Amino acid sequence: AQKVTQAQTEISVVEKEDVTLDCVYETRDTTYYLFWYKQPPSGELVFLIRRNSFDEQNEISGRYSWNFQKSTSSFNFTITASQVVDSAVYFCALSGRGSGNTGKLIFGQGTTLQVKP
Amino acid sequence: DADVTQTPRNRITKTGKRIMLECSQTKGHDRMYWYRQDPGLGLRLIYYSFDVKDINKGEISDGYSVSRQAQAKFSLSLESAIPNQTALYFCATSQTPPGYEQFFGPGTRLTVL
Repeated sequence: AQKVTQAQTEISVVEKEDVTLDCVYETRDTTYYLFWYKQPPSGELVFLIRRNSFDEQNEISGRYSWNFQKSTSSFNFTITASQVVDSAVYFCALSGRGSGNTGKLIFGQGTTLQVKP
Repeated sequence: DADVTQTPRNRITKTGKRIMLECSQTKGHDRMYWYRQDPGLGLRLIYYSFDVKDINKGEISDGYSVSRQAQAKFSLSLESAIPNQTALYFCATSQTPPGYEQFFGPGTRLTVL
């Protein structure tokens, strides 16, 4: 079975603090894809990043960075120097052949990040 | 203009009513999906479609039906709405093959009284 766990339900930080959102996944597939989405208070889902299981290189995009470690089945997301606009619900998701090759996403429960001024 | 649109954006209905949520996309993607979001549960897949003639049930399809009228249009129906179908519903599209990111519509907030 495939599963994504985001153990942090809510995180509150003060602006300019760094914050890491944890994501742990379970899959028996050798080929799979991991994603992060952001859901701001307005409700839409915004795609942030996709990673395939063969690429363990960390990625940085501005203040955002992602750490993919297959050894611990984790795909953590760090925001450096957080800003109020980062306040949102963040979802980690998984897609793999265990999904019946449908491409469907298995979502974690989401982490609500509140950045206070 | 948005690539994936959903109508209506908000809907309040009563138990037992039939309701249809519509999704249109201009991204030219073959794959379309319907998810529902409930607090603390993330998003769960209701139905998905690979093309007009290929429609499949997701993990929580009971009480729902879908129609793929064209490559660009994918509708979700609740034949007889019940209160525990109150949720935020998202339509999504993606390229083929699997592994590509999904692009989501703005969501429809449905309340069943």
